Amino acid sequence: DAKTTQPPSMDCAEGRAANLPCNHSTISGNEYVYWYRQIHSQGPQYIIHGLKNNETNEMASLIITEDRKSSTLILPHATLRDTAVYYCIVRVVNQGGKLIFGQGTELSVKP
Amino acid sequence: EAGVAQSPRYKIIEKRQSVAFWCNPISGHATLYWYQQILGQGPKLLIQFQNNGVVDDSQLPKDRFSAERLKGVDSTLKIQPAKLEDSAVYLCASTLTGTANTGELFFGEGSRLTVL
Repeated sequence: DAKTTQPPSMDCAEGRAANLPCNHSTISGNEYVYWYRQIHSQGPQYIIHGLKNNETNEMASLIITEDRKSSTLILPHATLRDTAVYYCIVRVVNQGGKLIFGQGTELSVKP
Repeated sequence: EAGVAQSPRYKIIEKRQSVAFWCNPISGHATLYWYQQILGQGPKLLIQFQNNGVVDDSQLPKDRFSAERLKGVDSTLKIQPAKLEDSAVYLCASTLTGTANTGELFFGEGSRLTVL
């Protein structure tokens, strides 16, 4: 299964866009990119996922490069409640849908 | 809609004792996962069930860990005997299907185990 690389930590000012990068250079053609986040003392929460095209929902936008070797999660107007660990995960589609988590990026949104 | 329920939220035991965690997934979710999350690390998959059958338990330390999902609904994860390195948060997650469908996983709040 493909692995991902994320920066261990990032800071973002409240109200500004938070752009979280992820490298997945060995991703296979049928593997999706998923983003989850984990707020302190809670279980991980699904944010968004995509295969090739850019995706947007009420929480965030996902930009996937054309070669699919990297992606960026964008939180358009970060709030203090967005402070969390963000996980970029490549979905092992042919193994029953399990998610393999990496270390994630700890995002701190500051006033 | 009720979420994934887990209990107990916190448990403190001494090494070599046993402990059990319970999970009730979202109604109708056929696939259930148990993850172990050690402080400062991402969750690590221990076992995956599809209904009441095991799909993947390759990362489960079977000499001390066991899990079951009777009747394909609730699940129990047991550790016996516990070691110091088992101190972690045990997360349960469920999803509608375990196939190639891109369905999202829903996680419970976890059970925090401290082994002294």
